[in-house]
Amino acid sequence: EVQLVESGGGLVQPGGSLRLSCAASGFTFSSHWMTWVRQAPGKGLEWVANINQDGSDKFYVDSVKGRFTISRDNAKKSVFLQMNSLTAEDTAVYYCARGVYGGNSDLFNYWGQGTLVTVSS
Amino acid sequence: DIVLTQSPDSLAVSLGERATISCKSSQSIFYSSNKKNYLAWYQQKPGQPPKLLISWASTRESGVPDRFSGSGSGTDFTLTINSLQAEDVAVYYCQHFYSIPLTFGGGTKVEIK
Repeated sequence: EVQLVESGGGLVQPGGSLRLSCAASGFTFSSHWMTWVRQAPGKGLEWVANINQDGSDKFYVDSVKGRFTISRDNAKKSVFLQMNSLTAEDTAVYYCARGVYGGNSDLFNYWGQGTLVTVSS
Repeated sequence: DIVLTQSPDSLAVSLGERATISCKSSQSIFYSSNKKNYLAWYQQKPGQPPKLLISWASTRESGVPDRFSGSGSGTDFTLTINSLQAEDVAVYYCQHFYSIPLTFGGGTKVEIK
């Protein structure tokens, strides 16, 4: 059974940093692109970033470029999202997701339960 | 960037009746090389992650009830829920997977009238 479990969320002050983790199991992690999607409270879904199988290709939504970094550790079957210079607009539930077909443009059939990031003083 | 505009923002439908949700894309998401529309539909219930319902605009995922159907091509797409059930109360999102950046529609909340 495919499982994605996010961790690392919490309350952080504006300008601060946080590192999210997503632990994967139930599939060959090193064969799949991985993605982060976020959802602000009461709002819609926003694709944040994705990373290819060996970590050599990464893509970001414009609003996080230069502040967020996606990475992965295939040995630990985990994907990470380092978030720096956080603002209130980054407050959201962050979901880890796995795509159906692979590639940087994909749809998602496996999602974690999400981890809440709150940016507030 | 491709903008997906969903309408309505919310709708209330009686049990057993039909719900229809529109998703309009700012540009065509149809690839002529493989004749596929790069559009997916998701259902999200409160406190849960999204669930993939439909891929390629009209292909139902395994286990999704056949009262859910997707249609459309190019820039105009529709999700139809026939004979609405109580368990269908949720927010529904469209998403394109045509190119980066991936984007989602704003969501449509479906409630029981």
